[in-house]
Amino acid sequence: GAGVSQTPSNKVTEKGKYVELRCDPISGHTALYWYRQSLGQGPEFLIYFQGTGAADDSGLPNDRFFAVRPEGSVSTLKIQRTERGDSAVYLCASSLTATTDTQYFGPGTRLTVL
Amino acid sequence: GNSVTQMEGPVTLSEEAFLTINCTYTATGYPSLFWYVQYPGEGLQLLLKATKADDKGSNKGFEATYRKETTSFHLEKGSVQVSDSAVYFCALTLNSGYSTLTFGKGTMLLVSP
Repeated sequence: GAGVSQTPSNKVTEKGKYVELRCDPISGHTALYWYRQSLGQGPEFLIYFQGTGAADDSGLPNDRFFAVRPEGSVSTLKIQRTERGDSAVYLCASSLTATTDTQYFGPGTRLTVL
Repeated sequence: GNSVTQMEGPVTLSEEAFLTINCTYTATGYPSLFWYVQYPGEGLQLLLKATKADDKGSNKGFEATYRKETTSFHLEKGSVQVSDSAVYFCALTLNSGYSTLTFGKGTMLLVSP
């Protein structure tokens, strides 16, 4: 079956612009996670959704970052007033339930802020 | 807090050599442990996992044993192949209602023919 998909695969933007990154989880998966992977580092947790609600957003670096999942399926990560330090690969993962510990990752969106 | 420490890479081996990638962790509770692999140009894939002490996870010839006494989860393979060249990430989750992963920095493995 289809895995987790993310669009776009690459996004180049200018400092100060607004960007949206989309994640389409595996069908039926209720838990959805966003991570950020900087060059040479492991992924770092940003936000977790159970259904439509953000159950844990403690990893969001500041209030320029926001994410939604209005219908409990597709999620959008939104970054306002982008900065060069936001450049990274943004990864989305989903799991069947909140307590299912196996997460399935998408291919990521590489964001470059010039 | 929770953290994962992996040996720094790159690890460079010849085909059929024995592989060990060290991983140790600190956790505020009782974690589940994972190895994820990222092949060139591809997304993260779960390689193996273990959910309690002394469990051994295994897949594709790789294995790792959950050692609570040494807080370790070292990855091993008896005979590596060129196709094993990838970045390997050790990770943990705490069984606290949901499963946020904490990752190590990753170890690049390069296998030459």
